[in-house]
Amino acid sequence: NAGVMQNPRHLVRRRGQEARLRCSPMKGHSHVYWYRQLPEEGLKFMVYLQKENIIDESGMPKERFSAEFPKEGPSILRIQQVVRGDSAAYFCASSPPSVSTEAFFGQGTRLTVV
Amino acid sequence: GENVEQHPSTLSVQEGDSAVIKCTYSDSASNYFPWYKQELGKRPQLIIDIRSNVGEKKDQRIAVTLNKTAKHFSLHITETQPEDSAVYFCAASIGGSTLGRLYFGRGTQLTVWP
Repeated sequence: NAGVMQNPRHLVRRRGQEARLRCSPMKGHSHVYWYRQLPEEGLKFMVYLQKENIIDESGMPKERFSAEFPKEGPSILRIQQVVRGDSAAYFCASSPPSVSTEAFFGQGTRLTVV
Repeated sequence: GENVEQHPSTLSVQEGDSAVIKCTYSDSASNYFPWYKQELGKRPQLIIDIRSNVGEKKDQRIAVTLNKTAKHFSLHITETQPEDSAVYFCAASIGGSTLGRLYFGRGTQLTVWP
């Protein structure tokens, strides 16, 4: 059973471009969480999704950021018109429907905006 | 929302000594408290967790204690080794089906000197 897979591992974008980050949860996991980690800081919750539904997006900026988790395929975190302040590591975690199991993190995507 | 405070931000110990990291939380509804270890450039990895119906949990050299009345929990590492050097994060969650919706502390950089 492969772990949570994120790609790309590293992404460089110029200011104003769009960034698309992908997350494939572990097999059997239907809950996906996105976190952002700025240098030398903890992880900040952005959004929680289940298949085809956004459950909680309270941590996601209102503008330029969006997330989806379609019925088929990976979850996508999309950042439009990137700015230097978007440079960070973006981690995805997944968990199964069971209430008693931990969430597993992917390796992260390190976004650099130049 | 929940607010998790973590101290200290840096901790240096000699190999073989013990290390203690402390966290407090604000939301009495939180009932799941995991600890993650993150090595440079890698994903956060769960090392131990505790749920609100348990006051203490131990796994070899690692132990976690929870005081729900005072809203604080601590990580204890005994007989530290150089490979324990990493950033450690505490987190809190209301658990249940949203177990992966975590509020993180800012992290503790632990350095174990040989």
